[in-house]
Amino acid sequence: KQEVTQIPAALSVPEGENLVLNCSFTDSAIYNLQWFRQDPGKGLTSLLLIQSSQREQTSGRLNASLDKSSGRSTLYIAASQPGDSATYLCAVETSGSRLTFGEGTQLTVNP
Amino acid sequence: NAGVMQNPRHLVRRRGQEARLRCSPMKGHSHVYWYRQLPEEGLKFMVYLQKENIIDESGMPKERFSAEFPKEGPSILRIQQVVRGDSAAYFCASSPPDGGREKLFFGSGTQLSVL
Repeated sequence: KQEVTQIPAALSVPEGENLVLNCSFTDSAIYNLQWFRQDPGKGLTSLLLIQSSQREQTSGRLNASLDKSSGRSTLYIAASQPGDSATYLCAVETSGSRLTFGEGTQLTVNP
Repeated sequence: NAGVMQNPRHLVRRRGQEARLRCSPMKGHSHVYWYRQLPEEGLKFMVYLQKENIIDESGMPKERFSAEFPKEGPSILRIQQVVRGDSAAYFCASSPPDGGREKLFFGSGTQLSVL
């Protein structure tokens, strides 16, 4: 059974700091890994998707890496801003197009 | 191009009543997924549907829960005889006809509160 763990559960940083969020998964037989952002009272927004054959993806100030063999992914956020405050979710896709989510990292960026 | 639309945003039911949650996928999308987020927990897969077919319902509770995605109209997640433990945020996601391996687009969710 696939399990996804995210560390830390919560993180508070000053504006401008670079930060790393961690995700680990127990079963390396995945199709892809996605990082989502969840704002209170809103849905999920997909930030980055890494296919199992890829090592990393970049979008603006975000960079996600994937080490499938070790079951790990990191989301790097450069020059954090207060608007980055949200819960970040990691999810892996296994068979049948179903996603298994971690419990998220709640990020607060203080001005 | 409207995104995934879910309604209602908030639904309050008393124990024993029925809850019906609706999801309209993005235009051109024919795959719908339902996920549930219990308080202080991560999202959990419930069911995957295509038009008129249930593809994977392995995450659905065995009783009281059902889902459909008719040829016309939105996908419906139906919960009969709700209990307090059903209180959660229910999210719907959709993807294009060529299937997965792409980003899923999520709706804003329906917050179900059972009194």
